[in-house]
Amino acid sequence: IAGITQAPTSQILAAGRRMTLRCTQDMRHNAMYWYRQDLGLGLRLIHYSNTAGTTGKGEVPDGYSVSRANTDDFPLTLASAVPSQTSVYFCASSLGLAGAPQYFGPGTRLTVL
Amino acid sequence: EDKVVQSPLSLVVHEGDTVTLNCSYEVTNFRSLLWYKQEKKAPTFLFMLTSSGIEKKSGRLSSILDKKELFSILNITATQTGDSAVYLCAVERFGNNDMRFGAGTRLTVKP
Repeated sequence: IAGITQAPTSQILAAGRRMTLRCTQDMRHNAMYWYRQDLGLGLRLIHYSNTAGTTGKGEVPDGYSVSRANTDDFPLTLASAVPSQTSVYFCASSLGLAGAPQYFGPGTRLTVL
Repeated sequence: EDKVVQSPLSLVVHEGDTVTLNCSYEVTNFRSLLWYKQEKKAPTFLFMLTSSGIEKKSGRLSSILDKKELFSILNITATQTGDSAVYLCAVERFGNNDMRFGAGTRLTVKP
């Protein structure tokens, strides 16, 4: 692995189902982030983690939860998916220091019917 | 409310043209402004700007920040079809992990 990987690449999900999007990085970055990208709205932060064991809410956290059990993995869970959660989801990571940019994974396209 | 506004929303040029993309912002506790290029999938990092008036340059791309007037520009000279992408501007704030993105400028470079 080099960089950030996300799985699945795409998924179609029935409303009400539970879904976990996976994100793994091998850069030993401290901070990790989940964004959703919707047409006309740009990227919006859902949740973040500054370091393993801590998480925080971003701009649009409702309906999503995250965990950070270790440095490498940062899964995003939709407990009961709704159609408004149809979006492209990007995971990102950074060193978490001032002046360190975020690097993005390839994204997961999620469709909730 | 904090906001990041990019203009134009879309732009079509021909190879060899020079383009200027704009990003204005209103945020509290500004730390830095970043530019990303997004083609098919993940946004890729271009520049991070923290100080006014200092140009960052990478090949045909350059960017500068004006912290007094609260904007940044991204210039691309001698455009090529491979420059076609959505260019995203984002602003980071001190003491806050909520990096705010603009909606992006979609650049199309025609042969």
